[in-house]
Amino acid sequence: SQTIHQWPATLVQPVGSPLSLECTVEGTSNPNLYWYRQAAGRGLQLLFYSVGIGQISSEVPQNLSASRPQDRQFILSSKKLLLSDSGFYLCAWSPALGTGGDTQYFGPGTRLTVL
Amino acid sequence: AQKVTQAQTEISVVEKEDVTLDCVYETRDTTYYLFWYKQPPSGELVFLIRRNSFDEQNEISGRYSWNFQKSTSSFNFTITASQVVDSAVYFCALSTKAAGNKLTFGGGTRVLVKP
Repeated sequence: SQTIHQWPATLVQPVGSPLSLECTVEGTSNPNLYWYRQAAGRGLQLLFYSVGIGQISSEVPQNLSASRPQDRQFILSSKKLLLSDSGFYLCAWSPALGTGGDTQYFGPGTRLTVL
Repeated sequence: AQKVTQAQTEISVVEKEDVTLDCVYETRDTTYYLFWYKQPPSGELVFLIRRNSFDEQNEISGRYSWNFQKSTSSFNFTITASQVVDSAVYFCALSTKAAGNKLTFGGGTRVLVKP
């Protein structure tokens, strides 16, 4: 069966510090991968998605970047964190069936607080 | 463009009561997919159901049931005989063939089941 991992689970960082969040998927190959952010008490916003190694699409301009160095690894980064980067970051994967509407399965999330 | 509206921000019920969560969607695409996810206090999004636009049959899974009506662009979710463990935020989401696998989420409905 497929499993998705995220770490760290929680993170407290000062403004201006760098960020690296990692997401890995097990039990599948060539998945589509996604990064979402959920601000406190609000809905989910898609940040990045990837259909393959080195292929990243950005949904909103922001202080963050994403990379996919390996097939089942997705990394969310920032060079300098802002207060507004605080939130709950969720990674998700879906099978790349090419038919559209594939179910996305979410990881446990990382709660980031920028002080 | 796609849009999902969950008009109810919070619903409070007493255990064993039924609760219905409303979801209204907007899309110009004729092929689309609707989803419901549950987000318990732990934060992870748990997939509940996926429906495509060509399948209007209602579905029942245990205490959960879904009513899909294309005529009113609604995909409502009912929890029968609610339990405390049903307390969570529930999200309705939409993806379209034209948009690939990108999910558009509603704002979520928080359900609080009191013993």
